[in-house]
Amino acid sequence: SAVISQKPSRDICQRGTSLTIQCQVDSQVTMMFWYRQQPGQSLTLIATANQGSEATYESGFVIDKFPISRPNLTFSTLTVSNMSPEDSSIYLCSVTPGVTDTQYFGPGTRLTVL
Amino acid sequence: GEDVEQSLFLSVREGDSSVINCTYTDSSSTYLYWYKQEPGAGLQLLTYIFSNMDMKQDQRLTVLLNKKDKHLSLRIADTQTGDSAIYFCAERDSGGYNKLIFGAGTRLAVHP
Repeated sequence: SAVISQKPSRDICQRGTSLTIQCQVDSQVTMMFWYRQQPGQSLTLIATANQGSEATYESGFVIDKFPISRPNLTFSTLTVSNMSPEDSSIYLCSVTPGVTDTQYFGPGTRLTVL
Repeated sequence: GEDVEQSLFLSVREGDSSVINCTYTDSSSTYLYWYKQEPGAGLQLLTYIFSNMDMKQDQRLTVLLNKKDKHLSLRIADTQTGDSAIYFCAERDSGGYNKLIFGAGTRLAVHP
């Protein structure tokens, strides 16, 4: 398994601003993912963070709104840009230590947009 | 596209067994997972099963897989109040990249 931390754990932001969420893993991992969990809902994959190249986004998510960085094998960031109240969600980072290994999740970042 | 369905709510008495059911659509899924989410927390991996298995047991947890019916279940024996949480079923997308498709989650309430 892997130990995953996220910063911040929660935040309250104003409409129109941006927030960058960090995901740090205690060991090198093959793949990193970002999910969104809207209030009372299940998890939806936003994108796969690729090391050294652009992230792969799922249908309905675009780079301008959710820019992602992954500078190395242990760290990734997700930015939620130009926020609106509809962006209020829990954002979760997950990792796969190996190519076919199980996904482990971070504790999540609870975002509220006013 | 792929879809995973679960019942939304289950209430059981402490000490009884809980059975949470899940159906999925991607017959090519190689792995199926159960995650637990407690209030205000992230997702904790409970267990998983490979698609060539019918059953997997891990202490109080038993996973049954009926691949023909694309049905997955999680049985929790001797359910305790600490088991109260939301349980998510997920299948690995056979299209690659280890993408997970999640069900809506089953809220388990354990009462005395």
